[in-house]
Amino acid sequence: DAGVTQSPTHLIKTRGQQVTLRCSPKSGHDTVSWYQQALGQGPQFIFQYYEEEERQRGNFPDRFSGHQFPNYSSELNVNALLLGDSALYLCASSPDSGTEAFFGQGTRLTVV
Amino acid sequence: GENVGLHLPTLSVQEGDNSIINCAYSNSASDYFIWYKQESGKGPQFIIDIRSNMDKRQGQRVTVLLNKTVKHLSLQIAATQPGDSAVYFCAENGGAGNKLTFGGGTRVLVKP
Repeated sequence: DAGVTQSPTHLIKTRGQQVTLRCSPKSGHDTVSWYQQALGQGPQFIFQYYEEEERQRGNFPDRFSGHQFPNYSSELNVNALLLGDSALYLCASSPDSGTEAFFGQGTRLTVV
Repeated sequence: GENVGLHLPTLSVQEGDNSIINCAYSNSASDYFIWYKQESGKGPQFIIDIRSNMDKRQGQRVTVLLNKTVKHLSLQIAATQPGDSAVYFCAENGGAGNKLTFGGGTRVLVKP
């Protein structure tokens, strides 16, 4: 079992551009959550996908959107990038009936 | 790698000593709590969890204590080893869907 995998591992984008990050959940997990972790802080919840729909959303602007595919993998899209969007983006998966969340290695996004 | 320890409170521990990391949570409705360990350049790794109907749970070299009266959580690491050096986060789950709210984190440095 490969666990939760994210791609790419590192990314550099220019202000105003758009970015797509990808996540494959742990085998058997159907719920995917995305978190943003700024340097020196704890992860902040962005949103969660279940059955291909956004189920919960944190306090993030509409520039942040996502998608879940039938195979439970997920994408996080961020439009009109700002310098403040520079962070580690983490994907976590869990079985819907459980509560333990497993995290991927993250994608380090740098906006210049 | 990812310097997740910047600007975080730091606990320096002598190798072989016990470590105690504290966390205050905010949501009295939270019913599930998790401790995560995050090493530089990696995503959070599950250590131990506890549900609100318990006040203590033990794992291998780790113990979590929950005091619901004062909304306080602690992680005890016995015989701390160099491999325990990392940033530790507590997280609470206050409702359905496995949305986690993370604390600010504590960096543990183990001195040989």
